Amino acid sequence: AQSVTQLGSHVSVSEGALVLLRCNYSSSVPPYLFWYVQYPNQGLQLLLKYTSAATLVKGINDFEAEFKKSETSFHLTKPSAHMSDAAEYFCAVRGTRRSNYQLIWGAGTKLIIKP
Amino acid sequence: DAGVTQSPTHLIKTRGQHVTLRCSPISGHKSVSWYQQVLGQGPQFIFQYYEKEERGRGNFPDRFSARQFPNYSSELNVNALLLGDSALYLCASSFTGTGVRDTDTQYFGPGTRLTVL
Repeated sequence: AQSVTQLGSHVSVSEGALVLLRCNYSSSVPPYLFWYVQYPNQGLQLLLKYTSAATLVKGINDFEAEFKKSETSFHLTKPSAHMSDAAEYFCAVRGTRRSNYQLIWGAGTKLIIKP
Repeated sequence: DAGVTQSPTHLIKTRGQHVTLRCSPISGHKSVSWYQQVLGQGPQFIFQYYEKEERGRGNFPDRFSARQFPNYSSELNVNALLLGDSALYLCASSFTGTGVRDTDTQYFGPGTRLTVL
């Protein structure tokens, strides 16, 4: 069965600093991995996804994530944090079998940006 | 273009009541999925529908049911509400829901906040 672990329920960085949000997964099949962002009182927006092509995936708003099979990780990074990045970030995994079409989510990491 | 819409935005019910939540997918999308997000947790998968047929079901009791209409909109019904059903209910739509091509990206609505007293 697939599962996702996000390390750190809250991450605080200064504006302009590097953002690093950690995600580790467990999967019995080659995983499909996603990062979503949720702003307060809004739905989830897709940032980027890994679908077994390039291991370094670029997304919107200068976010990127690197798939590392040996570490079973899919950490999200951004070189320079902006105040507008303050939100909750969710990592998710989906199995490749059609019957497993469902997103299995981590508990989320709330990103706090300090001025 | 309109995104995924959900109604109502907020709802307050008492224990034992029934609730119906509605979702309209993005135009052209044929798959709708429902998720429950309890405060402080990630979403939990409830149902997926494609072309009016149930394609997947999460680990939720039979009090939860759903259906998809010919216009691809969907309803989520919850009977005999419990306090633990208080959550944000998210609807997501995708074109096919059968793979991980770009057309299968899930787009989420703003959610319905259900409070059970």
